[in-house]
Amino acid sequence: GQQVMQIPQYQHVQEGEDFTTYCNSSTTLSNIQWYKQRPGGHPVFLIQLVKSGEVKKQKRLTFQFGEAKKNSSLHITATQTTDVGTYFCAGPMNYGGATNKLIFGTGTLLAVQP
Amino acid sequence: DAGVTQSPTHLIKTRGQQVTLRCSPKSGHDTVSWYQQALGQGPQFIFQYYEEEERQRGNFPDRFSGHQFPNYSSELNVNALLLGDSALYLCASSLFAGGAGTEAFFGQGTRLTVV
Repeated sequence: GQQVMQIPQYQHVQEGEDFTTYCNSSTTLSNIQWYKQRPGGHPVFLIQLVKSGEVKKQKRLTFQFGEAKKNSSLHITATQTTDVGTYFCAGPMNYGGATNKLIFGTGTLLAVQP
Repeated sequence: DAGVTQSPTHLIKTRGQQVTLRCSPKSGHDTVSWYQQALGQGPQFIFQYYEEEERQRGNFPDRFSGHQFPNYSSELNVNALLLGDSALYLCASSLFAGGAGTEAFFGQGTRLTVV
């Protein structure tokens, strides 16, 4: 079945260092979404990428969708303690279908040491 | 504008019991999806409801069932609880018309512990 993997599973950085998490799908995706889940919280939508090769920025966060629409990355520049949490990528199960059944990646837990 | 609300926030049940979890979607949304999130893992899709019908289902046994009401709110029922059902149950609402590109808004979840 369709799988979405993320690496690394865990990343510990010093505040101010950069961070990148990578997402890989076993199938082509119509779009990729990114969510952040703080410890003890629920997933919160960050962004959606739709076009092949698309790059979007949100302040210190840069999101990229691969040319083949099977991989994506999230890069955080100069991490802050507020960036702590688990970052999930998620893609719709049915490519092109009228559904938003999301397959979540395995997640990357980011720890930031002040 | 209320977001997605779930109740209860925490629940402790005994093996073999039955449980009902509730979700009210974000105002204006018509689709409710339920996810199970075990500790340290990503959310796993259980099923999705639209127009009071189950539209999609993940790899969960028939012990997991649901319902959607005319006001779009939804319930998740789990029968014959197992220890392995202990998890955070998340409800996500969205607009069905948005299709595969629709952002999902998650509730705060119900933490279910089966003892």
